[in-house]
Amino acid sequence: AQSVTQLDSQVPVFEEAPVELRCNYSSSVSVYLFWYVQYPNQGLQLLLKYLSGSTLVESINGFEAEFNKSQTSFHLRKPSVHISDTAEYFCAVSDKGNLIFGKGTKLSVKP
Amino acid sequence: DAGVTQSPTHLIKTRGQHVTLRCSPISGHKSVSWYQQVLGQGPQFIFQYYEKEERGRGNFPDRFSARQFPNYSSELNVNALLLGDSALYLCASSYRHSPLGGVLNYGYTFGSGTRLTVV
Repeated sequence: AQSVTQLDSQVPVFEEAPVELRCNYSSSVSVYLFWYVQYPNQGLQLLLKYLSGSTLVESINGFEAEFNKSQTSFHLRKPSVHISDTAEYFCAVSDKGNLIFGKGTKLSVKP
Repeated sequence: DAGVTQSPTHLIKTRGQHVTLRCSPISGHKSVSWYQQVLGQGPQFIFQYYEKEERGRGNFPDRFSARQFPNYSSELNVNALLLGDSALYLCASSYRHSPLGGVLNYGYTFGSGTRLTVV
């Protein structure tokens, strides 16, 4: 079965600084990868996904993630964060059409 | 367009009771999945339904059951509630299901969840 490891449970960062949220998954022949964001008291919102093709995927709000097959990683990055990016971020991998989530990383952006 | 709607938003139950949670998928979506998110953890897969048939089941006891109706809405039922069942229950809808992950081309859309507290 697939599994996902998010290496940092909490990441504090100052506004306008760059950030990287790390995600590793268990190896598989083919894999689909996702990042979801969860704001307080809300459900999950899809941030970006890798299905095939270019290994670099981008979201509309400045986040990007790179699929690295050799390192089985799918790290999420943003060159300059805003206060509004404060949320919990979940990495997920597909498993027979269902999603296996990591434990989440709480991103806290400070002024 | 309405997104995935879940009801109720919050619920408090006593140990041993039964609970029913409801989910309406996005119009046109035929697949509904249920996830449990315990505080401080990532969501865990419970069930997936497509065209009113169960297509996947996670590692949850038989106290958990679900069904999908002809209009593609879904119910999650939990019997004999335990304190450990306290969690945010999330419903996700997608257009169609494929064991090979074809549904993921359309993406999962999650509802805001039902917060269940068992006392």
